Amino acid sequence: RKEVEQDPGPFNVPEGATVAFNCTYSNSASQSFFWYRQDCRKEPKLLMSVYSSGNEDGRFTAQLNRASQYISLLIRDSKLSDSATYLCVVNGGDQAGTALIFGKGTTLSVSS
Amino acid sequence: GAVVSQHPSWVICKSGTSVKIECRSLDFQATTMFWYRQFPKQSLMLMATSNEGSKATYEQGVEKDKFLINHASLTLSTLTVTSAHPEDSSFYICSATPPSKGIYNEQFFGPGTRLTVL
Repeated sequence: RKEVEQDPGPFNVPEGATVAFNCTYSNSASQSFFWYRQDCRKEPKLLMSVYSSGNEDGRFTAQLNRASQYISLLIRDSKLSDSATYLCVVNGGDQAGTALIFGKGTTLSVSS
Repeated sequence: GAVVSQHPSWVICKSGTSVKIECRSLDFQATTMFWYRQFPKQSLMLMATSNEGSKATYEQGVEKDKFLINHASLTLSTLTVTSAHPEDSSFYICSATPPSKGIYNEQFFGPGTRLTVL
């Protein structure tokens, strides 16, 4: 079983659409969860951390279900600039300094 | 804050040569840095964990004698690809975690180095 699995892409949506990405992880000891955004030929940049209580940042909402080992990202009112690859990222354990484990990413393409 | 730089940003070299990539944390000290590699349309794959003052920890399948890592100071880690071959062509990215983050280790990434081996 892969450590971090994401929805297969690509997602092609019109501007203004709402789109949801799902992710599951296999290591129950993981403590930190993130969504990163990666533009073509660029490094990943943190979009948001994911907390058990769920968190929202503008048009972006992230949810975490520890029991199901499931993470989601909801993007409302999609913009052209949201086109990118979204990476579900989990830390490898419960110790400080553990490496992050990346999902393969889901590509989003927003069109006008 | 939490800026990580990499140098060079891109390099083209002949097969058989060695290439050194530097990763620097500019405004914080990083006891641990990570080196990743990303092939086209693939996810980032961890190559090794670089610890200041000690030997790096390599992931399974990564040759430590080919990918030499040196973490000589709290702000600098280097990755040397020795005797590079075309199959080593990839996007190499480093990351570092500010110590205050503890286990909530949001990592900050360098801009990456695109290596092309001819």
